[in-house]
Amino acid sequence: RKEVEQDPGPFNVPEGATVAFNCTYSNSASQSFFWYRQDCRKEPKLLMSVYSSGNEDGRFTAQLNRASQYISLLIRDSKLSDSATYLCVVLTMNTGFQKLVFGTGTRLLVSP
Amino acid sequence: DVKVTQSSRYLVKRTGEKVFLECVQDMDHENMFWYRQDPGLGLRLIYFSYDVKMKEKGDIPEGYSVSREKKERFSLILESASTNQTSMYLCATLGQLNSPLHFGNGTRLTVT
Repeated sequence: RKEVEQDPGPFNVPEGATVAFNCTYSNSASQSFFWYRQDCRKEPKLLMSVYSSGNEDGRFTAQLNRASQYISLLIRDSKLSDSATYLCVVLTMNTGFQKLVFGTGTRLLVSP
Repeated sequence: DVKVTQSSRYLVKRTGEKVFLECVQDMDHENMFWYRQDPGLGLRLIYFSYDVKMKEKGDIPEGYSVSREKKERFSLILESASTNQTSMYLCATLGQLNSPLHFGNGTRLTVT
């Protein structure tokens, strides 16, 4: 089983739709969680951190479910510019070092 | 704002050549990472360094080495480039515990 798993998609949605992605992780000791956005041929950029209580940033909502070991990203009122790959990142302390594990990403395509 | 600079955006090398990929950061971060990203495989950790002259193998270190002589610079070395090392290489830094990664803009390496 992979440490971090994501549905690769693509998720094809019309403008204005609401879309949600999940990301599951296998290590129950994982401490921090992030969502990154990556545009084609560009480096990943931090979209938002995921806090235990859930957090919202404009149209984006991130949630953490420790019992079921997954995080989610909800995008409301999708824009064309939201088309990208969304990477889930999980941080775990491993023998004294921080270990970051990436999911393979979920591709989102927003169409007019 | 953290700045992570990779020396080349695009690089073409021949099989058997020695290749140096340089990464420089300006935020005095202790932790630096080298990843490669391939379609369908996501980001995979090659090596990381948590301090000057310290290095640790990641998940796929074979065929690579690294150098961290100064805190701000982390170099990835391909001793004898092979075609299966054609990939996008991403350098990243990490500041304090539980903070997100900051990426350079990547080097797309083609080995012919």
